[in-house]
Amino acid sequence: DQQVKQNSPSLSVQEGRISILNCDYTNSMFDYFLWYKKYPAEGPTFLISISSIKDKNEDGRFTVFLNKSAKHLSLHIVPSQPGDSAVYFCAASGANAGNMLTFGGGTRLMVKP
Amino acid sequence: NAGVMQNPRHLVRRRGQEARLRCSPMKGHSHVYWYRQLPEEGLKFMVYLQKENIIDESGMPKERFSAEFPKEGPSILRIQQVVRGDSAAYFCASSRSGGRQETQYFGPGTRLLVL
Repeated sequence: DQQVKQNSPSLSVQEGRISILNCDYTNSMFDYFLWYKKYPAEGPTFLISISSIKDKNEDGRFTVFLNKSAKHLSLHIVPSQPGDSAVYFCAASGANAGNMLTFGGGTRLMVKP
Repeated sequence: NAGVMQNPRHLVRRRGQEARLRCSPMKGHSHVYWYRQLPEEGLKFMVYLQKENIIDESGMPKERFSAEFPKEGPSILRIQQVVRGDSAAYFCASSRSGGRQETQYFGPGTRLLVL
């Protein structure tokens, strides 16, 4: 059973526009969420996180929104740049899972110049 | 380089051989996590270790896989008698403390290919 789902395997966006990546989760015990970016042949790079006590966290061009009632979070990138082209993973942790991160399957973002 | 280091970056083994993957955490980090990524999938948790202790091994296969994080030296993920299904990218992450909302920072991974 996949507890964290990223239903869009890929997304294509024009440079300068907004990229919106979505993530859904099923485990109501999850209370901390992270986004990682991954380039080919490299490890995931931490981007931004959000605790369940918040509904928004912003860091530069990256904003994460959390809707607890819908068990949904999204990552907004504004403006999108070609260097943002990568695979984006959302991950979650919860009180019943220790320090383990549960990852979604990833969304491949392509930002076209 | 203050990041998480993993070696080797690529490892080729024949079926039945042993694979040893090494991970040196970031400076100042004493908590290590191993994850496995199969092709076209997300990362799956395997094991969480602190120095000389296995804290959570709920994601480790019951046989052939073991992990350690000795007092001195890197963390080691060991796979005995490898099979083709073990071919994957293995990522190590580290965190400063064991706080549940402590960010995990990942290394570049070891890509294991079993022939």
